[in-house]
Amino acid sequence: QVQLVESGGGVVQPGRSLRLSCSASGFTFGTYGMHWVRQAPGKGLEWVAIIYSDGTNENYLDSVKGRFTISRDNSKNILFLQMNSLTAEDTALYYCVRDRVVVNPQWNFDLWGRGTLVTVSS
Amino acid sequence: DIQMTQSPSTLSASVGDRVTISCRASQTIYTYLAWYQQKPGKAPTLLIYKASTLQSGVPSRFSGSGSGTEFTLTISRLQPDDFATYYCQQYTSHATFGQGTKLEIK
Repeated sequence: QVQLVESGGGVVQPGRSLRLSCSASGFTFGTYGMHWVRQAPGKGLEWVAIIYSDGTNENYLDSVKGRFTISRDNSKNILFLQMNSLTAEDTALYYCVRDRVVVNPQWNFDLWGRGTLVTVSS
Repeated sequence: DIQMTQSPSTLSASVGDRVTISCRASQTIYTYLAWYQQKPGKAPTLLIYKASTLQSGVPSRFSGSGSGTEFTLTISRLQPDDFATYYCQQYTSHATFGQGTKLEIK
């Protein structure tokens, strides 16, 4: 069925790195822009990053720019988020999210995974 | 950055009520606004995009309106399944969400 399944979350010390993965199935992954959206415990939603369908264009939330890198492997239907220099403010549930529109992303989100929890703590 | 402000933060209502949630943008976002519903422990789901277009499969009791900086989400007759938290989101410049409105059973 159409779904997104995240993995790779866990507990990590401040300053360390973590790589999240998102496996997509049930749709033509390579035709959609993909995003990461996070939600700190008990808080609201915060968009983190986008990668366009062909992987040629990326954009980031200012507070993660230079620390996070979004990438994708369209041959394996996988989305990644490499997170470096993590801080406590990065603690959140990270959702892998599909853009609603094929090819040219509209920046609204019609398919969400269940999320993977990242906890940054010493 | 465009800031999104929702009101109220919490809303108490009964099954069958008509409720309205407001969302204000710090600058014009034309009609580049979406609404999401999130239930506890679940991922959000898209209800409305382009301010007033209902996402496929969403019940018609949900409706959206507005343009520029002022928007509303209306649920015409609350059902038990509608008690959740609702978020607005602008997408004219990147994406930013409102802080959420928790809809509670009165």
